[in-house]
Amino acid sequence: EDQVTQSPEALRLQEGESSSLNCSYTVSGLRGLFWYRQDPGKGPEFLFTLYSAGEEKEKERLKATLTKKESFLHITAPKPEDSATYLCAVLGSSNTGKLIFGQGTTLQVKP
Amino acid sequence: SQTIHQWPATLVQPVGSPLSLECTVEGTSNPNLYWYRQAAGRGLQLLFYSVGIGQISSEVPQNLSASRPQDRQFILSSKKLLLSDSGFYLCAWSPRDSSLETQYFGPGTRLLVL
Repeated sequence: EDQVTQSPEALRLQEGESSSLNCSYTVSGLRGLFWYRQDPGKGPEFLFTLYSAGEEKEKERLKATLTKKESFLHITAPKPEDSATYLCAVLGSSNTGKLIFGQGTTLQVKP
Repeated sequence: SQTIHQWPATLVQPVGSPLSLECTVEGTSNPNLYWYRQAAGRGLQLLFYSVGIGQISSEVPQNLSASRPQDRQFILSSKKLLLSDSGFYLCAWSPRDSSLETQYFGPGTRLLVL
């Protein structure tokens, strides 16, 4: 069964303190791994799609990387506006359009 | 550019009452459409997905149903709401004919069943 586990559940950082969020997955035939950002009371906002091990993508202070078993979302010198819940999801070959989501990591960045 | 709308934004309904949530997508044709539910403290769970008008697949047996009367319209319904139907309902779309299978989410509907 396809499964996604995110850690930690919650993370508190000081502004400028870099860190990483982890997404471990088991899936039959990975077709894509997705990162989203979700603010309270809002729908998830798409950040990145990664398709194969070794792939990396960057956007401002965020960088996503992918291995055969996990993905990392690296946050460099975060700002308070980076505070949100970050969701990881996978799409496997056995699932027709069904994203399997992790529980998310809630990030709080203090000024 | 593509835009996805959901309404209402918030809904408070008594147990046993009917439900209709609507989702529409603008700026694209023939999208794949999805309904997810996000319960408090839990991850997103896929409820229904559709690859075309009148084509609905259900992922989880439940008190809900979905319909797609038009290409860019997706409706989530219930004849009688249960307390357990409370949650945050999200509609999403993805391009039909594309190797890029990213799903894009709407703003969501917060449903509270009392």
